[in-house]
Amino acid sequence: QSVLTQPPSASGTPGQRVTISCSGSSFNIGSNYVYWYQQLPGTAPKLLIFRNDQRPSGVPDRFSGSKSGTSASLAISGLRSEDEAAYYCAAWDDSLSGHVVFGGGTKLTVL
Amino acid sequence: QVQLVQSGAEVKKPGSSVKVSCKASGGTFGGYFISWVRQAPGQGLEWMGGVIATIFDSATYAQNFQARVTITADESTNTAYMELSSLRSEDTAVYYCARGGELGNFEYWGQGTRVTVSS
Repeated sequence: QSVLTQPPSASGTPGQRVTISCSGSSFNIGSNYVYWYQQLPGTAPKLLIFRNDQRPSGVPDRFSGSKSGTSASLAISGLRSEDEAAYYCAAWDDSLSGHVVFGGGTKLTVL
Repeated sequence: QVQLVQSGAEVKKPGSSVKVSCKASGGTFGGYFISWVRQAPGQGLEWMGGVIATIFDSATYAQNFQARVTITADESTNTAYMELSSLRSEDTAVYYCARGGELGNFEYWGQGTRVTVSS
């Protein structure tokens, strides 16, 4: 049971816009930054979004992040086949002396 | 470009310990958080703990691992280490090191080290 809640799966067709949600609490998303990671099969995760809505250099602007209260979302527009991957949200959690928490991950399928 | 290169795969017996290394090239650990994140087969990501190489005694650990994990970083060699003791079969996973400017922000990742715990 992950501290941050994500839907286990999502899907879309090429060109479509897909949104992945991440729900937390006042201890984590409600008071700290949210980060999003993309993990392609058999590879290490890659940072997609930092500090709620910032993209590292090299990440296409098709990827965007937002946060409201204790929830966050990752939106992918102009969906492409290479976007098929697992997506994880993460945040610092102030409880239990502080620790990083991840969502359980969302497997995105491009139909 | 920063690269984190981890040590090779390990096979361990239950009850033993494993120590995984993570060496930075093209950059340093100085001033950055070095974290360890693990991923059991078919499962999600789990943060184990982190340390700032340039700050003595700065290691912080997830409660689940507090009693069994030690994370250290040697600024002189740009190498970080994660040692996990009292291994059990549930510790079978890929272990990643990651560097970032703040905890939760993992900008660079190692390639992962597979640890198998089996009798």
